[in-house]
Amino acid sequence: SQKIEQNSEALNIQEGKTATLTCNYTNYSPAYLQWYRQDPGRGPVFLLLIRENEKEKRKERLKVTFDTTLKQSLFHITASQPADSATYLCALDIPGTYKYIFGTGTRLKVLA
Amino acid sequence: DAGVIQSPRHEVTEMGQEVTLRCKPISGHNSLFWYRQTMMRGLELLIYFNNNVPIDDSGMPEDRFSAKMPNASFSTLKIQPSEPRDSAVYFCASTLGEGTEAFFGQGTRLTVV
Repeated sequence: SQKIEQNSEALNIQEGKTATLTCNYTNYSPAYLQWYRQDPGRGPVFLLLIRENEKEKRKERLKVTFDTTLKQSLFHITASQPADSATYLCALDIPGTYKYIFGTGTRLKVLA
Repeated sequence: DAGVIQSPRHEVTEMGQEVTLRCKPISGHNSLFWYRQTMMRGLELLIYFNNNVPIDDSGMPEDRFSAKMPNASFSTLKIQPSEPRDSAVYFCASTLGEGTEAFFGQGTRLTVV
């Protein structure tokens, strides 16, 4: 079955630096991959979606890459701010279904 | 639209009792998902519906869990009887369909004592 690996250890970075989070998956490549943000006590909130035929997607300070050869997606936050501190989850579709499965998330802390 | 609405936000119940969690998806969305989140296992997909029909319930942990979607605007997740290991945050999410973003509710924090 498909497995998603995200770094379970928290990532601490200094304000203004670029944060890079990793999402690796096994088995088959998804048709698309999504990134979500989750704050304590709240549900995940959608950030970006990238399709298998796209190498890169940007939205303001966010950038996502998708490498189907490496079976990996990277999520970048440039010019990070303390307000970016949250847990970031990646999600994959299961081809042929409507299912989305999620990684366990990486907690990011941006230090002022 | 008010987004995906879940109730209750918090539920504390005694072991053995029946628990019913409720969800109102975003109007017009045709897929609905129930997830459970714990520190150990992260966000696990329990069941999902498409056009009110249960498509895949392979994530439902045991027969104690059941879910229904009687119409496009309402779904329930029932646990009967509840056990302490069911304690978790349960999320409902809805989407317009394949390849679209999921909108999550605020979740129901369930504690079974």
